[in-house]
Amino acid sequence: ETGVTQSPTHLIKTRGQQVTLRCSSQSGHNTVSWYQQALGQGPQFIFQYYREEENGRGNFPPRFSGLQFPNYSSELNVNALELDDSALYLCASSPGQGREKLFFGSGTQLSVL
Amino acid sequence: AQTVTQSQPEMSVQEAETVTLSCTYDTSENNYYLFWYKQPPSRQMILVIRQEAYKQQNATENRFSVNFQKAAKSFSLKISDSQLGDTAMYFCAFMKPAVSKSGGSNYKLTFGKGTLLTVNP
Repeated sequence: ETGVTQSPTHLIKTRGQQVTLRCSSQSGHNTVSWYQQALGQGPQFIFQYYREEENGRGNFPPRFSGLQFPNYSSELNVNALELDDSALYLCASSPGQGREKLFFGSGTQLSVL
Repeated sequence: AQTVTQSQPEMSVQEAETVTLSCTYDTSENNYYLFWYKQPPSRQMILVIRQEAYKQQNATENRFSVNFQKAAKSFSLKISDSQLGDTAMYFCAFMKPAVSKSGGSNYKLTFGKGTLLTVNP
Protein backbone atom coordinates (compact mmCIF):
# COMPACT_ATOMS: atom_id res chain seq x y z
CA GLU A 1 0.00 0.00 0.00
CA THR A 2 1.61 3.24 -1.16
CA GLY A 3 -0.85 5.73 0.29
CA VAL A 4 -1.42 7.24 -3.17
CA THR A 5 -4.99 7.03 -4.43
CA GLN A 6 -6.27 7.94 -7.86
CA SER A 7 -9.81 8.54 -9.05
CA PRO A 8 -11.65 7.46 -10.99
CA THR A 9 -10.21 4.02 -11.76
CA HIS A 10 -11.79 3.91 -15.21
CA LEU A 11 -13.20 6.62 -17.46
CA ILE A 12 -14.72 6.74 -20.93
CA LYS A 13 -14.80 9.98 -22.90
CA THR A 14 -15.41 11.00 -26.49
CA ARG A 15 -13.04 12.84 -28.77
CA GLY A 16 -12.98 16.60 -28.19
CA GLN A 17 -14.14 16.40 -24.57
CA GLN A 18 -12.19 17.51 -21.51
CA VAL A 19 -11.23 15.30 -18.57
CA THR A 20 -9.90 15.79 -15.04
CA LEU A 21 -8.04 13.01 -13.24
CA ARG A 22 -7.35 13.21 -9.53
CA CYS A 23 -4.60 12.02 -7.23
CA SER A 24 -4.28 12.09 -3.46
CA SER A 25 -0.78 11.76 -2.04
CA GLN A 26 0.54 10.98 1.41
CA SER A 27 0.79 13.86 3.87
CA GLY A 28 4.19 15.52 3.52
CA HIS A 29 4.76 14.46 -0.08
CA ASN A 30 5.65 17.76 -1.76
CA THR A 31 6.39 16.30 -5.19
CA VAL A 32 3.87 14.76 -7.55
CA SER A 33 4.52 13.48 -11.06
CA TRP A 34 2.14 12.27 -13.74
CA TYR A 35 2.89 9.59 -16.31
CA GLN A 36 1.01 8.30 -19.36
CA GLN A 37 1.25 4.58 -20.08
CA ALA A 38 -0.07 3.52 -23.48
CA LEU A 39 -0.97 -0.11 -24.03
CA GLY A 40 2.15 -2.28 -24.30
CA GLN A 41 4.50 0.60 -23.47
CA GLY A 42 6.39 1.90 -20.49
CA PRO A 43 5.12 5.01 -18.72
CA GLN A 44 6.06 8.39 -20.22
CA PHE A 45 6.68 11.47 -18.06
CA ILE A 46 4.07 14.19 -18.50
CA PHE A 47 5.08 16.72 -15.82
CA GLN A 48 6.10 17.19 -12.20
CA TYR A 49 4.90 19.60 -9.53
CA TYR A 50 6.86 20.65 -6.46
CA ARG A 51 5.12 22.72 -3.79
CA GLU A 52 2.30 23.69 -6.18
CA GLU A 53 4.57 24.83 -9.02
CA GLU A 54 5.34 22.94 -12.22
CA ASN A 55 9.06 22.23 -12.24
CA GLY A 56 9.48 19.86 -15.16
CA ARG A 57 7.59 18.80 -18.26
CA GLY A 58 7.91 16.03 -20.83
CA ASN A 59 7.02 16.12 -24.53
CA PHE A 60 3.31 16.68 -24.11
CA PRO A 61 1.26 19.51 -25.66
CA PRO A 62 -0.17 22.39 -23.59
CA ARG A 63 -3.62 20.80 -23.59
CA PHE A 64 -2.17 18.60 -20.83
CA SER A 65 -2.14 20.73 -17.68
CA GLY A 66 -2.00 20.16 -13.96
CA LEU A 67 -2.57 21.56 -10.53
CA GLN A 68 -1.18 20.68 -7.12
CA PHE A 69 -2.97 21.76 -3.96
CA PRO A 70 -1.72 22.45 -0.40
CA ASN A 71 -3.58 19.39 0.91
CA TYR A 72 -1.29 17.06 -1.15
CA SER A 73 -3.90 16.39 -3.80
CA SER A 74 -3.36 17.08 -7.48
CA GLU A 75 -5.15 17.05 -10.82
CA LEU A 76 -4.28 16.25 -14.40
CA ASN A 77 -6.46 18.03 -16.96
CA VAL A 78 -6.59 17.12 -20.61
CA ASN A 79 -8.48 19.32 -23.07
CA ALA A 80 -9.66 18.48 -26.59
CA LEU A 81 -9.24 14.75 -26.10
CA GLU A 82 -7.81 12.72 -28.97
CA LEU A 83 -8.05 8.98 -29.60
CA ASP A 84 -4.32 8.62 -28.84
CA ASP A 85 -4.90 9.95 -25.33
CA SER A 86 -6.38 6.56 -24.44
CA ALA A 87 -3.97 5.20 -21.84
CA LEU A 88 -3.35 4.45 -18.17
CA TYR A 89 -2.48 7.63 -16.29
CA LEU A 90 -0.26 7.13 -13.25
CA CYS A 91 0.38 9.54 -10.42
CA ALA A 92 3.53 9.27 -8.30
CA SER A 93 4.51 11.20 -5.20
CA SER A 94 7.59 11.59 -3.02
CA PRO A 95 8.59 13.62 0.04
CA GLY A 96 11.29 15.69 -1.64
CA GLN A 97 12.16 16.64 -5.21
CA GLY A 98 11.83 13.15 -6.56
CA ARG A 99 15.23 11.74 -5.73
CA GLU A 100 13.78 9.50 -3.08
CA LYS A 101 11.55 6.56 -3.71
CA LEU A 102 8.48 7.36 -5.77
CA PHE A 103 5.14 6.04 -4.54
CA PHE A 104 2.78 5.21 -7.40
CA GLY A 105 -0.98 5.00 -7.44
CA SER A 106 -2.89 2.31 -9.34
CA GLY A 107 -3.77 4.67 -12.14
CA THR A 108 -6.80 5.84 -14.08
CA GLN A 109 -7.61 3.94 -17.27
CA LEU A 110 -8.87 6.51 -19.80
CA SER A 111 -10.61 5.40 -22.98
CA VAL A 112 -11.33 7.98 -25.68
CA LEU A 113 -13.93 6.93 -28.25
CA ALA B 1 17.78 12.31 -24.75
CA GLN B 2 18.09 9.19 -22.68
CA THR B 3 16.75 5.88 -23.94
CA VAL B 4 16.14 2.61 -22.13
CA THR B 5 15.96 -0.68 -24.03
CA GLN B 6 14.56 -3.95 -22.77
CA SER B 7 15.18 -6.54 -25.46
CA GLN B 8 13.07 -9.34 -23.95
CA PRO B 9 9.33 -8.70 -24.39
CA GLU B 10 8.48 -11.91 -22.51
CA MET B 11 10.28 -14.34 -20.23
CA SER B 12 9.19 -17.39 -18.28
CA VAL B 13 10.78 -19.31 -15.42
CA GLN B 14 9.91 -22.26 -13.23
CA GLU B 15 9.13 -21.65 -9.61
CA ALA B 16 12.28 -21.68 -7.42
CA GLU B 17 14.55 -21.14 -10.43
CA THR B 18 16.64 -18.07 -11.25
CA VAL B 19 15.93 -15.66 -14.10
CA THR B 20 17.76 -12.60 -15.44
CA LEU B 21 16.06 -9.68 -17.17
CA SER B 22 18.16 -7.47 -19.46
CA CYS B 23 18.27 -3.69 -19.75
CA THR B 24 20.56 -1.32 -21.61
CA TYR B 25 20.45 2.45 -21.63
CA ASP B 26 22.01 5.32 -23.47
CA THR B 27 23.15 8.51 -21.80
CA SER B 28 26.02 10.96 -21.80
CA GLU B 29 25.43 11.77 -18.12
CA ASN B 30 27.74 10.65 -15.34
CA ASN B 31 25.40 11.17 -12.40
CA TYR B 32 22.13 9.25 -12.58
CA TYR B 33 20.02 6.53 -10.99
CA LEU B 34 18.69 3.24 -12.34
CA PHE B 35 15.63 1.37 -11.18
CA TRP B 36 13.67 -1.81 -11.70
CA TYR B 37 9.93 -1.50 -11.17
CA LYS B 38 7.37 -4.29 -11.04
CA GLN B 39 3.81 -3.77 -12.34
CA PRO B 40 1.41 -6.60 -11.40
CA PRO B 41 -2.15 -6.80 -12.78
CA SER B 42 -3.20 -4.30 -10.12
CA ARG B 43 -1.33 -1.75 -12.31
CA GLN B 44 0.52 -0.17 -9.40
CA MET B 45 4.23 0.41 -10.02
CA ILE B 46 6.27 -1.13 -7.22
CA LEU B 47 9.95 -0.33 -6.75
CA VAL B 48 12.03 -3.51 -6.80
CA ILE B 49 15.58 -2.16 -6.62
CA ARG B 50 17.54 1.08 -7.04
CA GLN B 51 21.16 1.74 -8.10
CA GLU B 52 23.12 4.98 -7.95
CA ALA B 53 25.53 5.31 -10.89
CA TYR B 54 28.41 6.49 -8.70
CA LYS B 55 28.29 3.30 -6.62
CA GLN B 56 30.32 0.44 -8.05
CA GLN B 57 28.76 -2.13 -5.73
CA ASN B 58 25.73 -3.86 -7.19
CA ALA B 59 22.48 -3.30 -5.29
CA THR B 60 20.68 -6.25 -3.70
CA GLU B 61 17.26 -6.58 -2.09
CA ASN B 62 16.60 -10.05 -0.70
CA ARG B 63 16.02 -12.30 -3.78
CA PHE B 64 16.62 -9.44 -6.23
CA SER B 65 20.04 -8.26 -7.36
CA VAL B 66 21.43 -6.28 -10.24
CA ASN B 67 24.48 -6.50 -12.47
CA PHE B 68 25.41 -2.88 -13.16
CA GLN B 69 28.02 -2.42 -15.89
CA LYS B 70 28.45 1.35 -16.23
CA ALA B 71 30.89 1.32 -19.13
CA ALA B 72 28.66 -1.03 -21.09
CA LYS B 73 25.54 0.87 -19.99
CA SER B 74 23.92 -2.35 -18.90
CA PHE B 75 21.67 -2.93 -15.89
CA SER B 76 20.26 -6.46 -15.60
CA LEU B 77 17.98 -7.80 -12.86
CA LYS B 78 18.45 -11.26 -11.38
CA ILE B 79 15.58 -12.86 -9.50
CA SER B 80 16.56 -15.87 -7.42
CA ASP B 81 14.20 -18.51 -6.04
CA SER B 82 11.39 -17.23 -8.26
CA GLN B 83 7.92 -17.21 -6.70
CA LEU B 84 4.47 -17.22 -8.29
CA GLY B 85 3.93 -13.71 -6.94
CA ASP B 86 6.83 -12.46 -9.04
CA THR B 87 4.65 -12.79 -12.15
CA ALA B 88 4.33 -9.24 -13.48
CA MET B 89 5.60 -6.71 -16.00
CA TYR B 90 9.08 -5.51 -15.11
CA PHE B 91 10.26 -2.09 -16.19
CA CYS B 92 13.81 -0.78 -16.21
CA ALA B 93 14.00 2.98 -15.63
CA PHE B 94 16.59 5.75 -15.75
CA MET B 95 16.53 8.97 -13.76
CA LYS B 96 18.82 11.99 -14.03
CA PRO B 97 18.56 15.30 -12.27
CA ALA B 98 17.49 18.24 -14.43
CA VAL B 99 17.35 21.93 -13.67
CA SER B 100 13.80 23.17 -13.33
CA LYS B 101 12.29 26.53 -14.22
CA SER B 102 12.34 27.51 -10.55
CA GLY B 103 16.04 26.79 -10.37
CA GLY B 104 15.58 23.69 -8.29
CA SER B 105 15.92 20.18 -9.57
CA ASN B 106 13.40 17.82 -10.99
CA TYR B 107 13.86 14.17 -11.60
CA LYS B 108 11.94 12.37 -14.32
CA LEU B 109 11.93 8.63 -14.94
CA THR B 110 12.53 7.29 -18.43
CA PHE B 111 11.15 3.76 -18.73
CA GLY B 112 11.83 0.88 -21.08
CA LYS B 113 8.97 -0.97 -22.78
CA GLY B 114 8.95 -3.69 -20.18
CA THR B 115 9.41 -7.45 -19.92
CA LEU B 116 6.48 -9.70 -19.03
CA LEU B 117 7.74 -12.32 -16.59
CA THR B 118 5.67 -15.42 -15.95
CA VAL B 119 6.60 -17.76 -13.12
CA ASN B 120 5.24 -21.26 -13.74
CA PRO B 121 4.40 -23.72 -10.94
